[in-house]
Amino acid sequence: AQKVTQAQTEISVVEKEDVTLDCVYETRDTTYYLFWYKQPPSGELVFLIRRNSFDEQNEISGRYSWNFQKSTSSFNFTITASQVVDSAVYFCALKGGGATNKLIFGTGTLLAVQP
Amino acid sequence: EAQVTQNPRYLITVTGKKLTVTCSQNMNHEYMSWYRQDPGLGLRQIYYSMNVEVTDKGDVPEGYKVSRKEKRNFPLILESPSPNQTSLYFCASSLLSGYGSSPLHFGNGTRLTVT
Repeated sequence: AQKVTQAQTEISVVEKEDVTLDCVYETRDTTYYLFWYKQPPSGELVFLIRRNSFDEQNEISGRYSWNFQKSTSSFNFTITASQVVDSAVYFCALKGGGATNKLIFGTGTLLAVQP
Repeated sequence: EAQVTQNPRYLITVTGKKLTVTCSQNMNHEYMSWYRQDPGLGLRQIYYSMNVEVTDKGDVPEGYKVSRKEKRNFPLILESPSPNQTSLYFCASSLLSGYGSSPLHFGNGTRLTVT
């Protein structure tokens, strides 16, 4: 069975702090894809990143970085120098290697960045 | 602008009164899907469609119907809504490419309340 676990339900930080959101996944597929989505207070879901199972290179995009480690089945997301606009619910998701595009979502982490 | 459009954004209805939530995408995507989001449960797939006239159940299909008569439209139908269908609903679409690595593009959501 496929599963995504986001153990952190809520995180509160003060602006400019660094914060890491954890994501642990389970799958038996050898080919799979991992995603992060952001859901700001306005409610829409914004795609942030996709990573396939064959690419363990870390990725950095501005203040955002992602650490993919197959050995620990984790795909963690770090925000450096957090800002109030980063306040949102963040979802990690997994897609298996079959033809279906079904995403398995974690339960989300609510990040609150205080000014 | 490439987008997935859902209507309405908000809907309050009573138990048993049939309703339809519309979803349309302008990206010529083959794949479309409906998810519901509930606190503590993340997003769960209701139905999906791989192409016109091809639909299949997701993880929580009970009480819902869908149709895919045209590529761009994928309405969600609740024949007899019940209070446990009160939720935030998202429509999503993507290309079907290779092993399904294309990210899902989500609509802005429909908040449904059934009293």
